Amino acid sequence: LAKTTQPISMDSYEGQEVNITCSHNNIATNDYITWYQQFPSQGPRFIIQGYKTKVTNEVASLFIPADRKSSTLSLPRVSLSDTAVYYCLGLGNEKLTFGTGTRLTIIP
Amino acid sequence: GAVVSQHPSWVICKSGTSVKIECRSLDFQATTMFWYRQFPKQSLMLMATSNEGSKATYEQGVEKDKFLINHASLTLSTLTVTSAHPEDSSFYICSGRGANEKLFFGSGTQLSVL
Repeated sequence: LAKTTQPISMDSYEGQEVNITCSHNNIATNDYITWYQQFPSQGPRFIIQGYKTKVTNEVASLFIPADRKSSTLSLPRVSLSDTAVYYCLGLGNEKLTFGTGTRLTIIP
Repeated sequence: GAVVSQHPSWVICKSGTSVKIECRSLDFQATTMFWYRQFPKQSLMLMATSNEGSKATYEQGVEKDKFLINHASLTLSTLTVTSAHPEDSSFYICSGRGANEKLFFGSGTQLSVL
């Protein structure tokens, strides 16, 4: 079971770059590392997914070192609307459990 | 991205009644669907995993006779909370597994049992 560990909470000012790191020491070889964003009273929303190295899309970048034991979600120039809980998961064939997530608060 | 439609968004019911929550994958076929519950300011807790055409696999501590899951087609899974009680009040979320193992989530159902 791929257990993940993230900081419980983070604060950042608007316009800053925010990096959230997740540890997943026993991630399975076939697992994709996936990040989700959740606003209150909504289902999680897919942000980005990767297997190794770096992946970038229109909202974020994902950095995965060669050993794949951790990953870092990078949000460029955050705004107030990025205040949410962010979860990382290892997605593979096994059942999917969420860690605590990181509660990100953006300060004006 | 793929869309998972979940209904109703919220429901209020009397203690002892049953409530059904529907989860539909609109533009992909979900051979596997997951049901979660979430209490305020807590993470999602996996309740059960359902595969189309077979019985759901429940997590430890989740009563299968209370939380009935049906996954009769590749695009529809339902969760029925039977004989609901106030302690069942929670936010219930479904998800379907799509391509590249991505999970797509419904918008959630807030259940309040009076």
